[in-house]
Amino acid sequence: QQQVKQSPQSLIVQKGGISIINCAYENTAFDYFPWYQQFPGKGPALLIAIRPDVSEKKEGRFTISFNKSAKQFSLHIMDSQPGDSATYFCAAGQTGANSKLTFGKGITLSVRP
Amino acid sequence: KAGVTQTPRYLIKTRGQQVTLSCSPISGHRSVSWYQQTPGQGLQFLFEYFSETQRNKGNFPGRFSGRQFSNSRSEMNVSTLELGDSALYLCASSAGHRTGELFFGEGSRLTVL
Repeated sequence: QQQVKQSPQSLIVQKGGISIINCAYENTAFDYFPWYQQFPGKGPALLIAIRPDVSEKKEGRFTISFNKSAKQFSLHIMDSQPGDSATYFCAAGQTGANSKLTFGKGITLSVRP
Repeated sequence: KAGVTQTPRYLIKTRGQQVTLSCSPISGHRSVSWYQQTPGQGLQFLFEYFSETQRNKGNFPGRFSGRQFSNSRSEMNVSTLELGDSALYLCASSAGHRTGELFFGEGSRLTVL
């Protein structure tokens, strides 16, 4: 049973465009929703995270939108750059479960110059 | 501050053998968790250790085990290797006080022949 589902599976965006990646979760006990970015040959690195007490969080060009009733959250990358080309993972965690995160399968974003 | 260090970075084993992977967390971090990354399944949680005690465990068979030492360094062991164990094994460290940012190493790439 896949508890966190990402879409689309891959994404190609032109430089300067908006990249949108969606995630849906099933377990209503989840209360921590991070996004991780991974470059080839590197480990994932935290990009931005949100907790369900807010519906949106913005850090620079990256924004998380959260819809608790729909059990969905999304990552928006504004003014996408070729350097943003990477694999993006959404994840979900539960307070008390500490480092146990449930990850989506990841999507590969390619930003064309 | 040095990041998470994993050794070895690459290794090749044959079916039936066993393997031990090592992880040195960020200085001061007491939590070490392990994840298996494969193209089809994304990142899957194996287990987490905090102050030398296993605090969480994922849904992997007993062939997968781990431990943590008093200096927070951790090892994971896979016995009786199967072809399906071929994967990137990622170690992540955190302060461990609450569900929060995980700092991943670059991983150990295991190939089972």
